[in-house]
Amino acid sequence: SQQGEEDPQALSIQEGENATMNCSYKTSINNLQWYRQNSGRGLVHLILIRSNEREKHSGRLRVTLDTSKKSSSLLITASRAADTASYFCATDDRYNQGGKLIFGQGTELSVKP
Amino acid sequence: GAGVSQSPSNKVTEKGKDVELRCDPISGHTALYWYRQSLGQGLEFLIYFQGNSAPDKSGLPSDRFSAERTGGSVSTLTIQRTQQEDSAVYLCASSFRPVRTGELFFGEGSRLTVL
Repeated sequence: SQQGEEDPQALSIQEGENATMNCSYKTSINNLQWYRQNSGRGLVHLILIRSNEREKHSGRLRVTLDTSKKSSSLLITASRAADTASYFCATDDRYNQGGKLIFGQGTELSVKP
Repeated sequence: GAGVSQSPSNKVTEKGKDVELRCDPISGHTALYWYRQSLGQGLEFLIYFQGNSAPDKSGLPSDRFSAERTGGSVSTLTIQRTQQEDSAVYLCASSFRPVRTGELFFGEGSRLTVL
């Protein structure tokens, strides 16, 4: 079963607005990662936040992590039409030394010009 | 190579036939992963390699699915006696560091259609 669940499943906004996506997970983690997938393409890594971090920034991206609630959010500020894509959170399992990432179902973001 | 390479990019096959999907990871990446993505869905973990061994095969859906990796590099995912429910995009990813500290690099995927 999938580790992460994301909401909303789909989000439509206007260019310039901010987009917020949420992710919840089930187990204890070492880190949480966010990936982006353009239609018909592979996934591209955006940002990694460690379990001892609460907030991280990268350009127009801001990620928060609340390990007590087992949840994370991805904020994209001043969105652009080129941000249109699906966004996935992914977590490892602190107690699984095998080291695989489990992905959520994703949020489909549409940014209208 | 510059990135993770997967082939074929598209494969159409008839129900009951066997298919092989190939993944060529980034040079030097010791970990290799296979995921499956059905239309409009998230990624389903299939199998993970560290070097040539597979510590975690827990995601393989049935015994019709198998994978191997040779020389710590190229991996092949084989699906025997394909069924229509096997239709999906099969994504390969590799990493240099363990995922508890590092990211995955994905290929573009192999789209499998079983008629």
